[in-house]
Amino acid sequence: GQNIDQPTEMTATEGAIVQINCTYQTSGFNGLFWYQQHAGEAPTFLSYNVLDGLEEKGRFSSFLSRSKGYSYLLLKELQMKDSASYLCAVLDSNYQLIWGAGTKLIIKP
Amino acid sequence: TAGITQAPTSQILAAGRSMTLRCTQDMRHNAMYWYRQDLGLGLRLIHYSNTAGTTGKGEVPDGYSVSRANTDDFPLTLAYAVPSQTSVYFCASSDSVAGSTDTQYFGPGTRLTVL
Repeated sequence: GQNIDQPTEMTATEGAIVQINCTYQTSGFNGLFWYQQHAGEAPTFLSYNVLDGLEEKGRFSSFLSRSKGYSYLLLKELQMKDSASYLCAVLDSNYQLIWGAGTKLIIKP
Repeated sequence: TAGITQAPTSQILAAGRSMTLRCTQDMRHNAMYWYRQDLGLGLRLIHYSNTAGTTGKGEVPDGYSVSRANTDDFPLTLAYAVPSQTSVYFCASSDSVAGSTDTQYFGPGTRLTVL
């Protein structure tokens, strides 16, 4: 079966750095997405990786290793507004998005 | 630009009743999707449509039906609501053409409670 694993919850301190990991086992791979979802709101697109390596976008970076079935989202200079759930999703061979359950990130002052 | 709109925002529905959740996008995306999101679970695909006039079943299609008469609208119908259909429903769309990243953009969601 297809599976996306990410930690259920993480806690970090304002101003610090946090890394949210995602491992996947899917039938085929056509890209990996990270979304941010604030409580009670819709998911919003953060990043897309299809090739191995690091993609940087401001305070957020996303890394992919296809051979290891592994990605991480790195958040720097954490702000209170970064408190949210972060969803990892993989586009499989049928171009269907397979979603992880999400990681709830709690930022403490 | 509105992007994707959904209606209603929330609804309480008696079991056994029918209901249609509406979704409209103005981005001219060819692909549209319906998901449900339940606590502790990832987004689960109910139905999708790759282009106007076509639809397909996702992971959890039972009890739901969709239609795609045109590019912009993708309504989701519950013909006979049951309490297990209590959930938050998200509509999404993507520009699913060759060379695109298939990034999905989401509507604000409909919170449905079936009693």
